[in-house]
Amino acid sequence: EPEVTQTPSHQVTQMGQEVILRCVPISNHLYFYWYRQILGQKVEFLVSFYNNEISEKSEIFDDQFSVERPDGSNFTLKIRSTKLEDSAMYFCASREDHNLANEQFFGPGTRLTVL
Amino acid sequence: LAKTTQPISMDSYEGQEVNITCSHNNIATNDYITWYQQFPSQGPRFIIQGYKTKVTNEVASLFIPADRKSSTLSLPRVSLSDTAVYYCLVASNSGYSTLTFGKGTMLLVSP
Repeated sequence: EPEVTQTPSHQVTQMGQEVILRCVPISNHLYFYWYRQILGQKVEFLVSFYNNEISEKSEIFDDQFSVERPDGSNFTLKIRSTKLEDSAMYFCASREDHNLANEQFFGPGTRLTVL
Repeated sequence: LAKTTQPISMDSYEGQEVNITCSHNNIATNDYITWYQQFPSQGPRFIIQGYKTKVTNEVASLFIPADRKSSTLSLPRVSLSDTAVYYCLVASNSGYSTLTFGKGTMLLVSP
């Protein structure tokens, strides 16, 4: 069964450093998302991406964040200058079809730890 | 955006049927009701979605009354592996569809 994959599974970085979190969505999917979940808290939407551009972003997704689909398979989230409060699980998700908007397939997540 | 309310936690035993009810009083005409499951340190997983009446799949059933102001996720004969957080979401089933998660219901299944 196809699945969303994410790398690395765990990333440790120093405050102020740049990190890139990688995702490979399911191959025939058209819509891509990043969510994050701070330990013990809700899953929060960050950004959605469709047709090679951001379609929606939340207040969390400020200028420190960017997303890119550099080739036909990868979907990346970059945090330019990490802060302690960026420590969280970051989930990538994808979905196939305009009419199945609520059935998103989530990856296993990347645990980001900022020291 | 329709707000949802569901119990913070529920306890059950293996083999029992579990029903988790969610209220969404201000659901809009175009909104669908969707349930996700999340295990610790894993991404949420889609369980089931419905618009009205009853929907059933191999995992669960979803009951939605005529006024659509609430819904009930039914898990038949739960096992220990069903211990997870269950989220009720309400959103339009089209467009870019960002999912808004609440705190969910922590279901603990005991032997």
